[in-house]
Amino acid sequence: GAVVSQHPSWVICKSGTSVKIECRSLDFQATTMFWYRQFPKQSLMLMATSNEGSKATYEQGVEKDKFLINHASLTLSTLTVTSAHPEDSSFYICSAGGLAGENTGELFFGEGSRLTVL
Amino acid sequence: LAKTTQPISMDSYEGQEVNITCSHNNIATNDYITWYQQFPSQGPRFIIQGYKTKVTNEVASLFIPADRKSSTLSLPRVSLSDTAVYYCLVGDMSGNNRKLIWGLGTSLAVNP
Repeated sequence: GAVVSQHPSWVICKSGTSVKIECRSLDFQATTMFWYRQFPKQSLMLMATSNEGSKATYEQGVEKDKFLINHASLTLSTLTVTSAHPEDSSFYICSAGGLAGENTGELFFGEGSRLTVL
Repeated sequence: LAKTTQPISMDSYEGQEVNITCSHNNIATNDYITWYQQFPSQGPRFIIQGYKTKVTNEVASLFIPADRKSSTLSLPRVSLSDTAVYYCLVGDMSGNNRKLIWGLGTSLAVNP
């Protein structure tokens, strides 16, 4: 299957700093990428949907000014956690879908990025 | 978006067949049923997808009755490495509308 790569896989930062997580589709073009957050022992919670070249659509309760999403190309989307605080510590996962109409829409997930805010 | 219900946890032994059933009473006409596997601290991995009847691939089978209000993931002869959380998702996968709602999944423990 297609490969989605996230970087970094883990990051530790001080409270108040900003952290950027990259999500790349390595062998296909992703018109849509999804960003999820997963707390321990919980399910994936969709944060936002990003479409290449347009503004991301955020889920209710997710602060768009805190979680900045940029999808500048068909192979790269970035999530920036601005002014991170300990409660932002979580496992962040991206997923990407291929071009519309190519298949029934299997989503390909990155390896995840574990953020720890001290 | 259709809500899904599946058992929180299941236990099995190596070599056994495991069947995980998911209920999705409000499934819509355009919805597909997709199962993912997730290991700790990893992103989910696609297992199988179907619309109706039976689908089989190299790792699993998916049984979907005619009314499509439930589905059963069947894992033949599980091994210890199949210990993971299994998620059943229902959604319209066409176009860009691939937004899915994730439940808690089924935590499968395979014992020696």
